[in-house]
Amino acid sequence: DIQLTQSPSSLSASVGDRVTITCRASQSLSRWLAWYQQKSGEAPNLLIYKGVILESGVPSRFSGSVSGTEFTLTISSLQPDDFATYYCQYYKEFLGTFGQGTKLDI
Amino acid sequence: EVQLVQSGAEVKRPGESLRISCQASGYNFTNFWIGWVRQMPGQGLEWMAIIYPGDSDTRYTPSFQHQISVSVDKSIRTVSLQWWSLKTSDTAMYYCAILGAGAFDVWGRGTLVTVSS
Repeated sequence: DIQLTQSPSSLSASVGDRVTITCRASQSLSRWLAWYQQKSGEAPNLLIYKGVILESGVPSRFSGSVSGTEFTLTISSLQPDDFATYYCQYYKEFLGTFGQGTKLDI
Repeated sequence: EVQLVQSGAEVKRPGESLRISCQASGYNFTNFWIGWVRQMPGQGLEWMAIIYPGDSDTRYTPSFQHQISVSVDKSIRTVSLQWWSLKTSDTAMYYCAILGAGAFDVWGRGTLVTVSS
């Protein structure tokens, strides 16, 4: 089984900060990794898929990058609406798994 | 508009059976996998299973394999998630979502299932 390690589990930041969240896989995923944002009481919302592709309608301050088995979500300049929980998720051969989540707060 | 409408909240007793549903609209229903995701209270997201409405091919995460059943009714564009004997540990929010390029790109609003004696 592929293991995903997401870090940090929580993060305090301020409006305007640059923030990075990392997801490390136990083996190669090619680029089948996605990032989601979930606000309290809402369904998750897809931000990035295939490691680096921004979902339509998602602000350009969100970006994804890949280096080997390490995937990174970057928010270039935090906005008040960005305070939420973020999850990575891999997909391989009809199965997937989510990272443990990163709670981003002020 | 692509949309997934989930059935309403349920309150059940341990040992009871339950089926919740997810009705799709606004796209070619038979051409995209639909998945179910569990979120227990205060916890993270868990991938449960996916189903391909075109031929009912279903793939379960091993930990859910013998706990649930996922099915589809193409005539009413609906995917269902079923339990035969609920446990208190099944208390959670359950989301259905459309699987695009390896990611869930459209989500339902969720169905809250509460199992309590």
